Amino acid sequence: DAKTTQPNSMESNEEEPVHLPCNHSTISGTDYIHWYRQLPSQGPEYVIHGLTSNVNNRMASLAIAEDRKSSTLILHRATLRDAAVYYCIPRTIGGGADGLTFGKGTHLIIQP
Amino acid sequence: DTGVSQDPRHKITKRGQNVTFRCDPISEHNRLYWYRQTLGQGPEFLTYFQNEAQLEKSRLLSDRFSAERPKGSFSTLEIQRTEQGDSAMYLCASSSGRGHGYTFGSGTRLTVV
Repeated sequence: DAKTTQPNSMESNEEEPVHLPCNHSTISGTDYIHWYRQLPSQGPEYVIHGLTSNVNNRMASLAIAEDRKSSTLILHRATLRDAAVYYCIPRTIGGGADGLTFGKGTHLIIQP
Repeated sequence: DTGVSQDPRHKITKRGQNVTFRCDPISEHNRLYWYRQTLGQGPEFLTYFQNEAQLEKSRLLSDRFSAERPKGSFSTLEIQRTEQGDSAMYLCASSSGRGHGYTFGSGTRLTVV
């Protein structure tokens, strides 16, 4: 599995954008980059995923570097409900193991 | 469909007892996964089913652990002769394929005393 590096924690203010970085320098060409988040006392929640192009959905945007060695999850306008642990996970689509490998993630703190 | 359901939400058991957890995935999802999460750590993969076939098992899944998905719908995870180190949150997730995200349940918190 590709290794990922994320900051242990980040802090942001409510209603401001948040950029959560992830380094995945050993990612293979067939690995998608998935992001999940986990709110307190809940199971992880799918946020977004992408391969090469930047992706947008109702929750967030994902910006992927041209060399694919890093990506950034962007929350455009953080709310208190976005306070969670965010996990960046490379996932192979073709063949092989299908289990996601979670790291420790980034603990996002939102200040009112 | 109300998402992935797990039962029970909490379980306290004495060391040495057997416990069984149940997971009901989203009905149209053919893939089902079990994870374990301890405090301060990310979830750790345990095993994965595609329909009723168990296709992958982690080395974390000792011989005291067994999982089934008999008809390709709900799944059970049994832990025999529980140990204090088994205390954790057990999470179930389902997916409709590799190109799709997982939907997780809220988990079963196991405490072994």
